[in-house]
Amino acid sequence: DTGVSQDPRHKITKRGQNVTFRCDPISEHNRLYWYRQTLGQGPEFLTYFQNEAQLEKSRLLSDRFSAERPKGSFSTLEIQRTEQGDSAMYLCASSDEGQGAQPQHFGDGTRLSIL
Amino acid sequence: AQSVAQPEDQVNVAEGNPLTVKCTYSVSGNPYLFWYVQYPNRGLQFLLKYITGDNLVKGSYGFEAEFNKSQTSFHLKKPSALVSDSALYFCAVRDEGTGRRALTFGSGTRLQVQP
Repeated sequence: DTGVSQDPRHKITKRGQNVTFRCDPISEHNRLYWYRQTLGQGPEFLTYFQNEAQLEKSRLLSDRFSAERPKGSFSTLEIQRTEQGDSAMYLCASSDEGQGAQPQHFGDGTRLSIL
Repeated sequence: AQSVAQPEDQVNVAEGNPLTVKCTYSVSGNPYLFWYVQYPNRGLQFLLKYITGDNLVKGSYGFEAEFNKSQTSFHLKKPSALVSDSALYFCAVRDEGTGRRALTFGSGTRLQVQP
């Protein structure tokens, strides 16, 4: 069990640029989640996949944001035309929920800074 | 809608003393409740969960939490604090009846354990 892996750990970009983050979940987990965390706040839910199907999307996920999980394994989160307000830590989590409510296991996040 | 409140931004406790970090929640149906810990520049680490059954649940690193349905609370406790417990603690809830998988987090409580 190597845990949830996120890449890159840090991303600095200029306003208006596009960025893409990758998340590799724990290998046997079929559920994958994206959250955003700003300084001094708890994580806020963005979206959730079960295998390759995107089943939930938050109102926070504006049309500039898109997430994919094409083969039900790794996932990407893309932000187009970045804005200052997109600066945050983007956290990925995965869970195996064959039975009951299993906990979500988090990666160490990608910290995005918009110049 | 589901929500979580952590009324204390910071809790200070001396090493060896018992600690309590407070959490109250609001859901329409039955709650699934979780506690996570976050160290600087890291993701969230799962500590424990309440799904059903005994109101006192035990988790990792000697932590436990008490579920109180009438007070809609799920306070995190530890009998004897360690300096290494100093970190940011998050309570999270999911409403069992909605079928949604998104966790709603509190704003976090910073625990400071003094030697």
